[in-house]
Amino acid sequence: AQSVAQPEDQVNVAEGNPLTVKCTYSVSGNPYLFWYVQYPNRGLQFLLKYITGDNLVKGSYGFEAEFNKSQTSFHLKKPSALVSDSALYFCAVRDIAAGNKLTFGGGTRVLVKP
Amino acid sequence: GAVVSQHPSWVICKSGTSVKIECRSLDFQATTMFWYRQFPKQSLMLMATSNEGSKATYEQGVEKDKFLINHASLTLSTLTVTSAHPEDSSFYICSAQSVSSYNEQFFGPGTRLTVL
Repeated sequence: AQSVAQPEDQVNVAEGNPLTVKCTYSVSGNPYLFWYVQYPNRGLQFLLKYITGDNLVKGSYGFEAEFNKSQTSFHLKKPSALVSDSALYFCAVRDIAAGNKLTFGGGTRVLVKP
Repeated sequence: GAVVSQHPSWVICKSGTSVKIECRSLDFQATTMFWYRQFPKQSLMLMATSNEGSKATYEQGVEKDKFLINHASLTLSTLTVTSAHPEDSSFYICSAQSVSSYNEQFFGPGTRLTVL
């Protein structure tokens, strides 16, 4: 069975500083990895995905993520965080063999302080 | 493109009543839709996979008779919480899988259910 781990429940960062949200995964085949962001009482917004190709994936709102196969990680990064980036972030992996189900990590709350 | 809507966005009901939540793909067809449940400050838990024209597939521990799913068309899936109780209060989120977008899931805005 596949799994996703987000080791940090919360990440605090000052506005303008780099932001990193960690994610590690476990899959039996090729990983299809996703990052989503959720604002209060809202659904999930897609940020970026890794299917194949370049290990550095660029997504929405200035976010990017680096796929590292040897470390089974897919950390989300942003060079300069904004207060408006404060939200709940989810890493997910798609299980192709199980009807494209998504398995989500526990989520990481990001708080960007002015 | 790839917009998914949910209706209602929030609902408050009395214990024992049934509540229906609709999930619609507005600009694409979705043979598969997924229903998730999210408790406060927790992750999304997959409840069931809804396939158009066939019975839904429920995850382990999810009561089929409690959470009725109907996927009657390629753009609509409904989740009915039957005989709702306060412990059913939660945030319910659907997603629709787009075949034309390499089976990517697009999420609805969620429905907040509060059972009194």
